[in-house]
Amino acid sequence: KNEVEQSPQNLTAQEGEFITINCSYSVGISALHWLQQHPGGGIVSLFMLSSGKKKHGRLIATINIQEKHSSLHITASHPRDSAVYICAVAALTGNQFYFGTGTSLTVIP
Amino acid sequence: DVKVTQSSRYLVKRTGEKVFLECVQDMDHENMFWYRQDPGLGLRLIYFSYDVKMKEKGDIPEGYSVSREKKERFSLILESASTNQTSMYLCASSLLGRGHEAFFGQGTRLTVV
Repeated sequence: KNEVEQSPQNLTAQEGEFITINCSYSVGISALHWLQQHPGGGIVSLFMLSSGKKKHGRLIATINIQEKHSSLHITASHPRDSAVYICAVAALTGNQFYFGTGTSLTVIP
Repeated sequence: DVKVTQSSRYLVKRTGEKVFLECVQDMDHENMFWYRQDPGLGLRLIYFSYDVKMKEKGDIPEGYSVSREKKERFSLILESASTNQTSMYLCASSLLGRGHEAFFGQGTRLTVV
């Protein structure tokens, strides 16, 4: 049983396209994280959300607590956005995180 | 601006060796975590610690142990490495309590031959 589900698993886009990655979760959470992992690289935290919407440059993250759903949007995608994007939730009980299996994004020039 | 540091990016060890993976954080966080990342399985929790000398088993603790003698350092130990422990290992830290931002290390890619 996966507490966090992401879609799609793999995504290929042309440079400049608008991209959406979705995350659904089944547990009560205190916060949701979007993480980025470049090939061979470590993990970088992009956003932490507990409600509403956040924006950093071309990246936008939204969360709907009632629907237990979050989306990560990339506007005007670029080849350097190619990475694995991982959704993680901080559970309400305990101090643990639950992770999605990631979305592998490839942006073609 | 490094916050969570793992001692090695790449390691190659032989079957049966004792392996130490070290993680150090400089943010005075109470919580520290060790995860393993495998294709198709995502990140799975091995152990976590919420205080010095305190540890809790995660989802896949078999074959691993941990040590937290100081607040800033959390070590993962493979007592007798096996080929099925070949994986990417990630350390993370966060403040105690709910909803706090987590910081991740760069990961250690361990190959057991």
